Amino acid sequence: EPEVTQTPSHQVTQMGQEVILRCVPISNHLYFYWYRQILGQKVEFLVSFYNNEISEKSEIFDDQFSVERPDGSNFTLKIRSTKLEDSAMYFCASSEWGGNEQFFGPGTRLTVL
Amino acid sequence: RKEVEQDPGPFNVPEGATVAFNCTYSNSASQSFFWYRQDCRKEPKLLMSVYSSGNEDGRFTAQLNRASQYISLLIRDSKLSDSATYLCVVKYSDYKLSFGAGTTVTVRA
Repeated sequence: EPEVTQTPSHQVTQMGQEVILRCVPISNHLYFYWYRQILGQKVEFLVSFYNNEISEKSEIFDDQFSVERPDGSNFTLKIRSTKLEDSAMYFCASSEWGGNEQFFGPGTRLTVL
Repeated sequence: RKEVEQDPGPFNVPEGATVAFNCTYSNSASQSFFWYRQDCRKEPKLLMSVYSSGNEDGRFTAQLNRASQYISLLIRDSKLSDSATYLCVVKYSDYKLSFGAGTTVTVRA
């Protein structure tokens, strides 16, 4: 069964450093998403991406964040200058089209020290 | 007011029991409704969509009440493997899923 994959599974970084989280969506999916979940809290939407542009973003997704589809398979989330409060599990998801089921990857646990 | 509110539980039930819990949502323009399941430190996985007429998938029954803006999930004949956090999810736009904080269910032998 096709699945969304994410690397790395765990990333530890120093405050102020840049991190790039990587995702490989399901191959025939056209819509891509990033969500985050701070430990003990709910899953929160960050951004959706379609046709090489952001289609929707939340207030969390400020200028520190950016997304990119650098090639035909990868989808990345960059955090330019990490803060302690960026520590969370980051989930990538993809869907075949905008209205249907979103499939989630296993997540990257980001720890900012 | 939170977009999606759930009773956090925990609901601690014996195997074979029936357990039910609700969630409420604030935006009456919500388009679609789902229950996801999340195991500890894992990704959310779709359990079932929720339709206006109510729907059943095996031991799981979901109901939607648009007038009162609540969604329910009922689990019959609970199994140990049903122990998880159940996430109520509402879709307000074509893209964004809004998650509740989850209801924790523990099924004991």
